Amino acid sequence: DQQVKQNSPSLSVQEGRISILNCDYTNSMFDYFLWYKKYPAEGPTFLISISSIKDKNEDGRFTVFLNKSAKHLSLHIVPSQPGDSAVYFCAALRGNTDKLIFGTGTRLQVFP
Amino acid sequence: NAGVTQTPKFRVLKTGQSMTLLCAQDMNHEYMYWYRQDPGMGLRLIHYSVGEGTTAKGEVPDGYNVSRLKKQNFLLGLESAAPSQTSVYFCASSRFAGLSQPQHFGDGTRLSIL
Repeated sequence: DQQVKQNSPSLSVQEGRISILNCDYTNSMFDYFLWYKKYPAEGPTFLISISSIKDKNEDGRFTVFLNKSAKHLSLHIVPSQPGDSAVYFCAALRGNTDKLIFGTGTRLQVFP
Repeated sequence: NAGVTQTPKFRVLKTGQSMTLLCAQDMNHEYMYWYRQDPGMGLRLIHYSVGEGTTAKGEVPDGYNVSRLKKQNFLLGLESAAPSQTSVYFCASSRFAGLSQPQHFGDGTRLSIL
């Protein structure tokens, strides 16, 4: 039972345009969401997060939007750069539990 | 600034062999985690620890054991390796659990069981 879903395994975007990565979840008890970025042969690195009491969080070129009623969040990257090419994982956390639940990842390719 | 270091980076085992994966962190983090990543599955939590001397089961604990004898180290053991345990294993640590405490990951151990 996949509680966190990333239905697009890959996304290709031209440099300078917007990248939108999507994530859906099924457990309404999740109240904190994170995005991790992963390059080949490296571990995931934390990118940005959002609490369920907010609907938007911004950090430079990265913005995460949360729609609780739809159980949907998205990561916007503007403008996209070739260095953004990586696999992006959405993850969710319930309260102060110890366990992150990860999605299956979306591979983003930014081409010149 | 080492962060989270995993040893070894690659290993090939035969079915039935045993081995231990080592994770070391130098950030004085209380929490440590072991995940496995399989194609199309994302990262799944195997075991975790909330402090020195403690361990707890995650989502997919069967076939693995762990120990946290020192705060900075978290060991993952395979007593009798099986081909289904072929995967990439990631260790992570965090200062505490829960909100606003992102986990820091090592670069992974690629394990193949023949």
